[in-house]
Amino acid sequence: DAKTTQPNSMESNEEEPVHLPCNHSTISGTDYIHWYRQLPSQGPEYVIHGLTSNVNNRMASLAIAEDRKSSTLILHRATLRDAAVYYCIRFYGGATNKLIFGTGTLLAVQP
Amino acid sequence: DAGVIQSPRHEVTEMGQEVTLRCKLISGHNSLFWYRQTMMRGLELLIYFNNNVPIDDSGMPEDRFSAKMPNASFSTLKIQPSEPRDSAVYFCASRRDGPNEKLFFGSGTQLSVL
Repeated sequence: DAKTTQPNSMESNEEEPVHLPCNHSTISGTDYIHWYRQLPSQGPEYVIHGLTSNVNNRMASLAIAEDRKSSTLILHRATLRDAAVYYCIRFYGGATNKLIFGTGTLLAVQP
Repeated sequence: DAGVIQSPRHEVTEMGQEVTLRCKLISGHNSLFWYRQTMMRGLELLIYFNNNVPIDDSGMPEDRFSAKMPNASFSTLKIQPSEPRDSAVYFCASRRDGPNEKLFFGSGTQLSVL
């Protein structure tokens, strides 16, 4: 049970911002929110993570709702190379915590 | 750092044969995860280890599947005997403990059982 809900697919145009939503309404206070993406024919790769505050890195931004029941991954300017499946995961981080992936969101980027 | 290394990249075998998939963790990582990915079921967690000890193997499909960590840097996933429904991409991933630690995936092994 991934315990996160994401739309199955989304579309974007190149050079436009993309907002990928994730619902994690049963999140506990110690769960981090991690995002990974899987490019075609590759293994998943880390994108970004956070606990309560919004986070930015060179790949993306993560906006976390104040009640932490949802979050949004923001790609500021989508490129064709951003076409991938994006996974949102709740993660405690302890040694005995399983990392379970849901079905993710397939992002298509149109030129 | 070379990253998580999996071998072989591709494996084609006949039903009934034994298959062994290999994974080398990133140095310093102490958690190891085996995943299987198919179109129908997505990315499934099969088993994970922490400090060489299997913590949860509830995702292992059946007794035909077994996984080991003979040392801190290496793991194997064995299927004996293999069946066509085992055809999938198998990924291993490793990380250090801690909430801020990322999970690093290997490139996967594409297994085809004929």
